[in-house]
Amino acid sequence: DTGVSQDPRHKITKRGQNVTFRCDPISEHNRLYWYRQTLGQGPEFLTYFQNEAQLEKSRLLSDRFSAERPKGSFSTLEIQRTEQGDSAMYLCASSLGGARYNEQFFGPGTRLTVL
Amino acid sequence: KNQVEQSPQSLIILEGKNCTLQCNYTVSPFSNLRWYKQDTGRGPVSLTIMTFSENTKSNGRYTATLDADTKQSSLHITASQLSDSASYICVVTGGGSYIPTFGRGTSLIVHP
Repeated sequence: DTGVSQDPRHKITKRGQNVTFRCDPISEHNRLYWYRQTLGQGPEFLTYFQNEAQLEKSRLLSDRFSAERPKGSFSTLEIQRTEQGDSAMYLCASSLGGARYNEQFFGPGTRLTVL
Repeated sequence: KNQVEQSPQSLIILEGKNCTLQCNYTVSPFSNLRWYKQDTGRGPVSLTIMTFSENTKSNGRYTATLDADTKQSSLHITASQLSDSASYICVVTGGGSYIPTFGRGTSLIVHP
């Protein structure tokens, strides 16, 4: 399978715990995006990497959220001290460079439930 | 502010019928517009992508149109099937950013 993969697919945690999600993009894609999606809403942008550089962060990304892409390949998204409001689907997408099309390919998502 | 508005919010149709979903956007300058299909609990999958010079594009039973002057797009689904039940999301890129603006989606339910 050469698509975007995410792990885990589901995560249930207690409020206050830390969680980490992983995204493996399509291998030749240099751009990687993280989104959060709640029920009945479209994905909301969180952050974006070009290779290993984190180029843009949304205001939604509070101090409890951190993302890395250390070698320009896979990425991790960590949420510290989780809150019930963090319950959502976390989507990762990747794309090739080039502004004209910039088509993003999405992974299956990680569904987080904070109890 | 860049915005993408979709209508209707939800739609129920009978199998075999056609339907049209609408998308209005304010993103400027415009780069491209995509329609995605998102099955429940899955990531979005691209259906069509159009730039400002394209006013229609088809992908099987899906046909997207774009009017860059009025900043409107539509997605027409022909001869709907049960597997078309999903959320359809309009996504616009532009405004000098690589970050696309997503609509909230239209939830389509196809009944037998």
